[in-house]
Amino acid sequence: DGGITQSPKYLFRKEGQNVTLSCEQNLNHDAMYWYRQDPGQGLRLIYYSQIVNDFQKGDIAEGYSVSREKKESFPLTVTSAQKNPTAFYLCASSILTAADTIYFGEGSWLTVV
Amino acid sequence: GQSLEQPSEVTAVEGAIVQINCTYQTSGFYGLSWYQQHDGGAPTFLSYNGLDGLEETGRFSSFLSRSDSYGYLLLQELQMKDSASYFCAVRERSSASKIIFGSGTRLSIRP
Repeated sequence: DGGITQSPKYLFRKEGQNVTLSCEQNLNHDAMYWYRQDPGQGLRLIYYSQIVNDFQKGDIAEGYSVSREKKESFPLTVTSAQKNPTAFYLCASSILTAADTIYFGEGSWLTVV
Repeated sequence: GQSLEQPSEVTAVEGAIVQINCTYQTSGFYGLSWYQQHDGGAPTFLSYNGLDGLEETGRFSSFLSRSDSYGYLLLQELQMKDSASYFCAVRERSSASKIIFGSGTRLSIRP
């Protein structure tokens, strides 16, 4: 079945460590996104990408990095520069001609210990 | 930039009708979308308004008025499974793929 796969589902990180969250889609979508969600809060855009080898910062990009080497993959690295990384991270994708509808993965819970 | 405001919480009774509002400040957008998210889960698409007016999809309807910078999601015949968070979202004209979400409304259904 087509969809978006995020891994790992749960991740614990020690302070000062970088961690990479995986996002893979087999929907043949052009655009991919990363959102952060804190408990009881809305979704805030971290990074997004419309095509391979190109991506743009969202509203809260500081302390995060991404790459888009393949159409189906958009990994997110949470660096040690992100001071409060504990959150729920959601990856999403869309086709550009219908970019008002985006499809989400099941999310990754990151906890700093 | 864009900002979308929603009430943080709404409570309603099973079988009733509830309206969730979304007011926005934006320099331009293509349309207003609505998403549902159950606790611990991923958001799922519910409805989209590209033009002013009402769009109906089963028990859910959505409305947009660009002149009033306002939209709403209407849920009819409420069921317990409708208890969830609801988010409005817009795609900016300034960057075709940038989609911004509102702060979300938590809907609680009482028997």
